[in-house]
Amino acid sequence: EVHLVESGGGLVKPGGSLRLSCAASGFTFSLYTINWVRQAPGKGLQWVSSISSSSSEIFHADSVKGRFTISRDNAKNFVYLQMDSLRAEDTALYYCARGTYGSDYFDYWGQGALVTVSS
Amino acid sequence: EIVMTQSPATLSVSPGERATLSCRASQSINSNLAWYQQKPGQAPRLLIHGASTRATGVPARFSGSGSGTEFTLTISSLQSEDFAVYYCLQYNTWARLTFGGGTKVEIK
Repeated sequence: EVHLVESGGGLVKPGGSLRLSCAASGFTFSLYTINWVRQAPGKGLQWVSSISSSSSEIFHADSVKGRFTISRDNAKNFVYLQMDSLRAEDTALYYCARGTYGSDYFDYWGQGALVTVSS
Repeated sequence: EIVMTQSPATLSVSPGERATLSCRASQSINSNLAWYQQKPGQAPRLLIHGASTRATGVPARFSGSGSGTEFTLTISSLQSEDFAVYYCLQYNTWARLTFGGGTKVEIK
């Protein structure tokens, strides 16, 4: 069974940094794209970042480009989201989501990690 | 960026009735559209991909249609567990994935 478990969320001051982790199990991790999607409180879904299976392709939404960095460790089955220069508008529940094999939509999601940016 | 517009924002439906949700893309996305269901306190769940293909385990009362810029999710006979928020996602351009704003299906 596919499992994605996020960790590393918390309260951070504006301008601060945080690193989220996504632990994957139940599938051949090294074959799949992994994504981060966030949801601000009471709001809709927003794609944040994607990393291909071999890390050869990495994309970030314009709203986080230059501040967030996605990476992965295929030996440990982990994906990371390093978040720097955090702003109040980055406050959200951050989901790790698997990209389906051979296409780009998300087929499995974790339960999310809450990031709160506030002074 | 491709803008996805969902309508209506809220849909009030009685159990057993049909619900029709719309999603419009600002430019053609072929059939690269997925639908998700999200219940309070839960992660989104994949319902439909490729505009019309039901994901594994999704009941047959859920159906998707459309291509290009106009898409529809139909729930043929609403069950109590179907009251939720529904989002569309375009994945025509991987580097620029975008969701619609969501449609809340509530009990009438």
